[in-house]
Amino acid sequence: AQTVTQSQPEMSVQEAETVTLSCTYDTSESDYYLFWYKQPPSRQMILVIRQEAYKQQNATENRFSVNFQKAAKSFSLKISDSQLGDAAMYFCAYRSPHTGANSKLTFGKGITLSVRP
Amino acid sequence: SAVISQKPSRDICQRGTSLTIQCQVDSQVTMMFWYRQQPGQSLTLIATANQGSEATYESGFVIDKFPISRPNLTFSTLTVSNMSPEDSSIYLCSVEGLVSDTQYFGPGTRLTVL
Repeated sequence: AQTVTQSQPEMSVQEAETVTLSCTYDTSESDYYLFWYKQPPSRQMILVIRQEAYKQQNATENRFSVNFQKAAKSFSLKISDSQLGDAAMYFCAYRSPHTGANSKLTFGKGITLSVRP
Repeated sequence: SAVISQKPSRDICQRGTSLTIQCQVDSQVTMMFWYRQQPGQSLTLIATANQGSEATYESGFVIDKFPISRPNLTFSTLTVSNMSPEDSSIYLCSVEGLVSDTQYFGPGTRLTVL
């Protein structure tokens, strides 16, 4: 079974600075998908970024980028120019390439990010 | 991405009662998922609902406790039956959107059981 580990429960960053959130995972599959979701206090889960394992190029979405190291099974999220609105809980998630009920997401425990003004 | 709504957004219920949560999507989707998020915790999948077939439940979740309906390609319900305080959680539905392999979430239902 796949597992996702987020070992840092909390992090803090100064506004306008850069922060990196860590995530590791374990799988025996060669193809899969990785995601970062953001959950602000409103509790809505918002997709931040998506990475397909067969693509070597790291995904980027505006101020958000990932460092995907497939051999090391590492998938960290970098937030540049941090803003107060980035304060939230961030979840790393894994999805296998299968369909149907096997397409479920496996989540890490999450990390709470605070942004200092 | 799909627009997903859930009703109710929150509720406070008495133990022993049942609550049905609705999930509505603005487009037809094949797979719908129901997750539970206990206070301060991560998300745990309850079941996967495919239209026209029985829901597939994860280990630790049973149909008698969490019956699910999926009458069409845009709608699903999750019932939390015979509730106890341990069922106090956020319940979220999600769908795989037009970008396949990516799940989008509804706003969640915050349930408190007294």
